[in-house]
Amino acid sequence: AQSVTQLDSQVPVFEEAPVELRCNYSSSVSVYLFWYVQYPNQGLQLLLKYLSGSTLVKGINGFEAEFNKSQTSFHLRKPSVHISDTAEYFCAVSEIRDDKIIFGKGTRLHILP
Amino acid sequence: ETGVTQSPTHLIKTRGQQVTLRCSSQSGHNTVSWYQQALGQGPQFIFQYYREEENGRGNFPPRFSGLQFPNYSSELNVNALELDDSALYLCASSGAVERAYNEQFFGPGTRLTVL
Repeated sequence: AQSVTQLDSQVPVFEEAPVELRCNYSSSVSVYLFWYVQYPNQGLQLLLKYLSGSTLVKGINGFEAEFNKSQTSFHLRKPSVHISDTAEYFCAVSEIRDDKIIFGKGTRLHILP
Repeated sequence: ETGVTQSPTHLIKTRGQQVTLRCSSQSGHNTVSWYQQALGQGPQFIFQYYREEENGRGNFPPRFSGLQFPNYSSELNVNALELDDSALYLCASSGAVERAYNEQFFGPGTRLTVL
């Protein structure tokens, strides 16, 4: 069975500063990895995904993530955040050929003016 | 192309009642997955429907049941509601399961409150 641990429940960061949201996963099989964003009172939007190939994945809104198999991590980064990035971010995993997605508990990103 | 839609947006029920939530999948998609997101938690997989058949289920009791219709829209039914069923229920649609990866597109959710 897979599991996802998001190491920070909340991350405050000043506007235009860089940010890293941490995610570790556990699985005995090969997996796909995802980051989703949820804006207040909305559903989930896919930010980026790792399926195979290059371990550095670029997504929408200037976000990127790096897959590290040895450390079983998939941390999300952005070099300069904007007030509009205020949202809940979820790291997620799924087995290859299995559409069931396992989500972490989420990290709330607070952008400080 | 319309996205995934869910109805109703909000719903208030009392303990013991039954509820039906509805989801219309995105055009061209034949698979619907349902997730429960309790307050302050990540979404949890309830079950998935593919071509009108259940195609995988998470750790939810049998009082959570579903249907998928020939047009690939879907319903989530919950019987004997409990207070802990209060949550945001998310529906996601995706393409054919035969492919190795099928991106799931999420709807805005239905907020269920059980009193």
